[in-house]
Amino acid sequence: AQSVTQLGSHVSVSEGALVLLRCNYSSSVPPYLFWYVQYPNQGLQLLLKYTSAATLVKGINGFEAEFKKSETSFHLTKPSAHMSDAAEYFCAVTAASYDKVIFGPGTSLSVIP
Amino acid sequence: DSGVTQTPKHLITATGQRVTLRCSPRSGDLSVYWYQQSLDQGLQFLIQYYNGEERAKGNILERFSAQQFPDLHSELNLSSLELGDSALYFCASSPRQGADGYTFGSGTRLTVV
Repeated sequence: AQSVTQLGSHVSVSEGALVLLRCNYSSSVPPYLFWYVQYPNQGLQLLLKYTSAATLVKGINGFEAEFKKSETSFHLTKPSAHMSDAAEYFCAVTAASYDKVIFGPGTSLSVIP
Repeated sequence: DSGVTQTPKHLITATGQRVTLRCSPRSGDLSVYWYQQSLDQGLQFLIQYYNGEERAKGNILERFSAQQFPDLHSELNLSSLELGDSALYFCASSPRQGADGYTFGSGTRLTVV
């Protein structure tokens, strides 16, 4: 079975500072991993996905994530935070094929001017 | 507009009642997923359909049921509603399976009073 943990339910960064949102996964098979973003009163939007190709994955809005098998991690980063990045971020995992996607509890990102 | 359409956007109903939530997937997507999002439970997977057939079940109550029709739209039926059923219900779709990543609708906010 797959599961996801996200360290820190709330993260605050200053505008222009590095954004680091942590995600660790558990999977009995090589996983497919995702980051989604949810803005207030909206649905989730796919930021990026890892599907066993390059371990460093680039997504939309300047975000990227690195798959580290030895650490079972898939942390999300952005070099310079922007006010518009304030949102809820969800890490997710699936074992591919017909399996469902399991979402982590989410991390709320605040950006301080 | 993500291409996934959910109706209605808001629904207020009384305990004991029955409601139907509707989802039209993005054009060309064969898989439909239903999730429930609440403050205390986070994003919980309910059920998945692929091309009209049920493929996976999650934490879906017996009072809840769903189906996917030949035109690929899906309906989630919630009956004998309780206060605790108040939540955001999201529909998502993908071309085939979970590994493709999901496109989410904007959700239906259900309030049970």
